[in-house]
Amino acid sequence: AQSVTQLDSHVSVSEGTPVLLRCNYSSSYSPSLFWYVQHPNKGLQLLLKYTSAATLVKGINGFEAEFKKSETSFHLTKPSAHMSDAAEYFCVSYSSASKIIFGSGTRLSIRP
Amino acid sequence: DAGVIQSPRHEVTEMGQEVTLRCKPISGHNSLFWYRQTMMRGLELLIYFNNNVPIDDSGMPEDRFSAKMPNASFSTLKIQPSEPRDSAVYFCASSVGQGEWNEQFFGPGTRLTVL
Repeated sequence: AQSVTQLDSHVSVSEGTPVLLRCNYSSSYSPSLFWYVQHPNKGLQLLLKYTSAATLVKGINGFEAEFKKSETSFHLTKPSAHMSDAAEYFCVSYSSASKIIFGSGTRLSIRP
Repeated sequence: DAGVIQSPRHEVTEMGQEVTLRCKPISGHNSLFWYRQTMMRGLELLIYFNNNVPIDDSGMPEDRFSAKMPNASFSTLKIQPSEPRDSAVYFCASSVGQGEWNEQFFGPGTRLTVL
């Protein structure tokens, strides 16, 4: 069965420091993987997606994620956090067998 | 340019009442999705339309829930009768092409409270 696990429910970093949001997936098939961001009282917005091309995927707002098949991971990173990055982040998996599955979300807080 | 439009933004109703949520997708998008977000269950796909036809409704919780898409620019999600456990934020999203793997554009959501 397909699943997505976001390892941290809450991450807090200082402004200007790196961000790491962790995501592990399990799937019998090669999934497509996504990161979406949700700002308070807003809908989700796509940050980036992996669809079996380059394993390092660059997204909007300086975010990137690396697909590591050996570790079944798709962690989201950003070199330097900005106050506007404070939001909820969702790792999402899709496969033709199991459809779309959202992780439980990671709330990112940025300290001034 | 307008994104996905949902109405109402907030709805408070009493148990047993009928609730209708509305969605206008982005013009030119031919896939539409309804999601439910709760603290306990996170985000769940309820139903997915392509070219106004329901493709996958396996996520619809039970017969009290129904969704329609009479044309390319409008969809409704109806709950009849509503129950307190239906309280959640309901999102509508749209995309170009067929399939959940395409980038989805989400509306702001409707926060439903059933008393």
